[in-house]
Amino acid sequence: EAGVAQSPRYKIIEKRQSVAFWCNPISGHATLYWYQQILGQGPKLLIQFQNNGVVDDSQLPKDRFSAERLKGVDSTLKIQPAKLEDSAVYLCASSFDSRVEGNTIYFGEGSWLTVV
Amino acid sequence: GENVEQHPSTLSVQEGDSAVIKCTYSDSASNYFPWYKQELGKRPQLIIDIRSNVGEKKDQRIAVTLNKTAKHFSLHITETQPEDSAVYFCAASITRERSGGYNKLIFGAGTRLAVHP
Repeated sequence: EAGVAQSPRYKIIEKRQSVAFWCNPISGHATLYWYQQILGQGPKLLIQFQNNGVVDDSQLPKDRFSAERLKGVDSTLKIQPAKLEDSAVYLCASSFDSRVEGNTIYFGEGSWLTVV
Repeated sequence: GENVEQHPSTLSVQEGDSAVIKCTYSDSASNYFPWYKQELGKRPQLIIDIRSNVGEKKDQRIAVTLNKTAKHFSLHITETQPEDSAVYFCAASITRERSGGYNKLIFGAGTRLAVHP
C-alpha cells in the first residue's frame, strides 16, 4: 500500500518569500492533516480536512498560512510571507475517517523548511 | 483544555534495561491514546495504542498502561535494544461536535530515548 506522499522534501527560502507544500494521502482516506513540527517538539495540528472541507484550523496562523483540498484528495499548504519562526518540518498525514475515534493516523516523510 | 504533558524529555538507558515514559492529558473525555516512534529524519510511526476500555496492552517488548481516573498513561519498553533509540510521542484524542463531529490528536512534546550498548 502506498503511503502518504509529500513534496518537496527540503526547501530553503528567505524570510518574506512564499513556499508551497503538496501532499497526497493514502487512497481512500477521507481525513487529511497538516502538522507543524518544530525541532525538539511534538507535532502541532495546523489544519484538518474531512474530504474537501475544513473541520479544524484553530491553530493555523491565517494571516500567512493557507491550505486547500479542493477535490478531497491531495492538498497544498502555502506560507506567505514566511517568517524565521516558520522553520520546521511540515508533516502531512491521513486517516480513514476522523469521525470515528481511534482511526490510525499515517504520516508522510515531511517537508523540511528552513527560513533564512 | 487541549494539553498532553510528557516526561521525561530525554532518557538514557543501558541495553537490556527497561524504559518508562509517562504522559498526562487534560480532556477527561479522551478515549484513544496512541504512541508514535520517530527515528532521526523519518516519519512518526504508530507502535502501540490503547483505548479507554482497557487498562493495559502488550505487544512483545512494548506495553502501555492507562489510568483514566488520574488521566495518565505510560509506555514501557523492556529489554531495550540500540534500535529502540528514537523519539517517542504520546498522544490523546479529543472529540469535537462541531463541523459534523470529528476527532483529533494532541501530541506530547516527545521523549528522546538513547539505548547504549
